[in-house]
Amino acid sequence: DAKTTQPPSMDCAEGRAANLPCNHSTISGNEYVYWYRQIHSQGPQYIIHGLKNNETNEMASLIITEDRKSSTLILPHATLRDTAVYYCIVRWNDMRFGAGTRLTVKP
Amino acid sequence: EAGVAQSPRYKIIEKRQSVAFWCNPISGHATLYWYQQILGQGPKLLIQFQNNGVVDDSQLPKDRFSAERLKGVDSTLKIQPAKLEDSAVYLCASSLVYGAAPNTGELFFGEGSRLTVL
Repeated sequence: DAKTTQPPSMDCAEGRAANLPCNHSTISGNEYVYWYRQIHSQGPQYIIHGLKNNETNEMASLIITEDRKSSTLILPHATLRDTAVYYCIVRWNDMRFGAGTRLTVKP
Repeated sequence: EAGVAQSPRYKIIEKRQSVAFWCNPISGHATLYWYQQILGQGPKLLIQFQNNGVVDDSQLPKDRFSAERLKGVDSTLKIQPAKLEDSAVYLCASSLVYGAAPNTGELFFGEGSRLTVL
């Protein structure tokens, strides 16, 4: 019972920014937004998480709207190795995945 | 630091047979998760342990699936008897914290155990 909505697929040109949206309109005040990605045949890999403020790490940036009902994961300079399924999850204690967005980075 | 270890990596059985998967989490991680991932779908949470206690098993098909985490470290997931629809990758994950400080609860996943039921 994922609490998030993501587009099923997106394309991005290599070297350009990839912006992956996520809607989580029923998020509650103590739930965090997490992003994971899964490259074919591997287990999901943690990318970033946040509560209210925008966050940035070496992999990506996370932009959360002021009302917290949606967020965007930004991969600033997508490479072919970023081709994967990206999952947006709202979490307090458990971690439940939806179907995610299949991002294809094209040369 | 060693990651989450799972075995076997691959298993092929016939329907109605039984199978067991083993998971060794990262040392010191109190929380352990088992997920089922059917081809083309996101991982589905089956059961969540905190130390050796079950936190959530609401999506575990208890008529055929069982899991235990003796001594709060290793865990075993068993399927008996297996059905064709159990063909999937079974992922184990662990994390450091639970509840009060979820912002540090990054999940680390193993490589998974791929089950094929014929």
